[in-house]
Amino acid sequence: GNSVTQMEGPVTLSEEAFLTINCTYTATGYPSLFWYVQYPGEGLQLLLKATKADDKGSNKGFEATYRKETTSFHLEKGSVQVSDSAVYFCALANSGNTGKLIFGQGTTLQVKP
Amino acid sequence: NAGVTQTPKFQVLKTGQSMTLQCAQDMNHEYMSWYRQDPGMGLRLIHYSVGAGITDQGEVPNGYNVSRSTTEDFPLRLLSAAPSQTSVYFCASSYSKNTQGGEQFFGPGTRLTVL
Repeated sequence: GNSVTQMEGPVTLSEEAFLTINCTYTATGYPSLFWYVQYPGEGLQLLLKATKADDKGSNKGFEATYRKETTSFHLEKGSVQVSDSAVYFCALANSGNTGKLIFGQGTTLQVKP
Repeated sequence: NAGVTQTPKFQVLKTGQSMTLQCAQDMNHEYMSWYRQDPGMGLRLIHYSVGAGITDQGEVPNGYNVSRSTTEDFPLRLLSAAPSQTSVYFCASSYSKNTQGGEQFFGPGTRLTVL
């Protein structure tokens, strides 16, 4: 079946450090891929998305490229801030949009001043 | 637009009690879903609906019921609460057409504790 695997956390970085959170997936067809972010005490917000191979999603300095050859969608940011501290979820939607998302387990990021 | 709204925000139940978690959206989305979030397990799909009158089971449906009588509302019912249902519950909605790639919009969540 379809699945998403994220690197385990927590990830602790100093402010202005480079961030990578790995995400790989297993899916049939051509899924869409998402990164959602959850700030403390809040719901999930869409951070970025990519709907086809080689697409790059970007938002708020974060980027991720849909790599079909390696079935990956790694999240990167060049210089993190304390305000980026949150839980990050990688997710996929099956091709054809069935109304369901499959999530990875989430990665907690803590950024220290 | 209010987006996706959920009530209540917090709830404490005793084992065996029943309750309904409310979810509503004002974006005219056809698809609606319920997820539960547990530490280290991400979000898991409980039930989902592709339109009024149509529902289906997700990954973890046992102990929960849903119905979809209108496009806007998608309540989740706990029939007889158990401690294993202690979790944070999220409702989400999305367009049916694949123009957005299946992006879902989430409510703020309901934190449920079952004693």
